Amino acid sequence: DTEVTQTPKHLVMGMTNKKSLKCEQHMGHRAMYWYKQKAKKPPELMFVYSYEKLSINESVPSRFSPECPNSSLLNLHLHALQPEDSALYLCASSQASRGSGANVLTFGAGSRLTVL
Amino acid sequence: AQKITQTQPGMFVQEKEAVTLDCTYDTSDPSYGLFWYKQPSSGEMIFLIYQGSYDQQNATEGRYSLNFQKARKSANLVISASQLGDSAMYFCAMRGITLGDRSSNTGKLIFGQGTTLQVKP
Repeated sequence: DTEVTQTPKHLVMGMTNKKSLKCEQHMGHRAMYWYKQKAKKPPELMFVYSYEKLSINESVPSRFSPECPNSSLLNLHLHALQPEDSALYLCASSQASRGSGANVLTFGAGSRLTVL
Repeated sequence: AQKITQTQPGMFVQEKEAVTLDCTYDTSDPSYGLFWYKQPSSGEMIFLIYQGSYDQQNATEGRYSLNFQKARKSANLVISASQLGDSAMYFCAMRGITLGDRSSNTGKLIFGQGTTLQVKP
């Protein structure tokens, strides 16, 4: 079983809907990430939270709104999406310790989003 | 700027044979980490192996080893004794390692284009 849990696994939404993707980890990691992955392409970084503060926003459109309510949870709020936003959304977490070497990212199984 | 290149879109290997997946990189960071992930058709990214830029020895994890050649900026993944369950997409990834404030330590993990490996019975 993955240690990063993402819900829902599948989501179909219309362009006027508001929905949220959720991510939870209990490994004590203080860095959490959202990636977007189109079919047969590499994951692309969207957002990074470090110690519950947004540290990186890769110029993501405002129709994607991240939220980190506590150290274990990460949400991605979706509003007024476009069909081209259909993709696999991957959440990940890692340690965020100062000067640490590996800081391996542990990924969840992803939420597959379809925008109609 | 950082760049990861995987030049093999697809590879075939016979079961029980070894296979090498290529990865080259470019970075201006003096210190960095290199990672390999496996992504089966289910979608989950599974961490396989890590190599730090200052590690003297090549990393190994079970059937996985990383052939790290720093001067050539390459970090090839070697899978020994391939199994049918190894069929998946494999991504090479890199992140800079900074000693600055806490937020910059998370760094950006960037991925290569991936290589699809198919193991034949």
